[in-house]
Amino acid sequence: GAGVSQTPSNKVTEKGKYVELRCDPISGHTALYWYRQSLGQGPEFLIYFQGTGAADDSGLPNDRFFAVRPEGSVSTLKIQRTERGDSAVYLCASSLGTGRTETQYFGPGTRLLVL
Amino acid sequence: DAKTTQPPSMDCAEGRAANLPCNHSTISGNEYVYWYRQIHSQGPQYIIHGLKNNETNEMASLIITEDRKSSTLILPHATLRDTAVYYCIVRVGGNQFYFGTGTSLTVIP
Repeated sequence: GAGVSQTPSNKVTEKGKYVELRCDPISGHTALYWYRQSLGQGPEFLIYFQGTGAADDSGLPNDRFFAVRPEGSVSTLKIQRTERGDSAVYLCASSLGTGRTETQYFGPGTRLLVL
Repeated sequence: DAKTTQPPSMDCAEGRAANLPCNHSTISGNEYVYWYRQIHSQGPQYIIHGLKNNETNEMASLIITEDRKSSTLILPHATLRDTAVYYCIVRVGGNQFYFGTGTSLTVIP
């Protein structure tokens, strides 16, 4: 079946602009995660949703970052007033549930470059 | 302090077994260890996970020490397509995956 998809695959924007990154999880997966990966580093957790609600947003770096999942499926990560330091690969993952053995399946990521 | 510690890089000859170590000395008693890999410019790919018993699947084997403070991922017959960054992962704070910096494995022809 279809895996996790993310759009756009690449995004170039200017400092100060607003961007939206979209994630389509695997059908039927109730949990959705966002991670950020800087060059040469492992992915770092940003936020996760169980259904429509953000169950843990402790990884969001500041209030310029916000994510929604209004119908419990597709999620959008929103970044306001982008800064050059926001340049990274933004990864989305989904899992069937949130048990300790639930495997997270990752999308290909969106590469964001802020000029 | 790091939740997982892995060597930054390793080489392995094609066809040989690749053994990738990981220390996770602060892992709690009921937390699983996960292994993922990331091939350049792709998202992380699930390999295997385990709690305290050794595990094997079609991709790899996972050996976890009795005290659960370390584990080793084994790729029994490495191929060039196994060249990737391998992450040993534990959960923190409930459902956050802690990736660390991983091991960059290069399979040499």
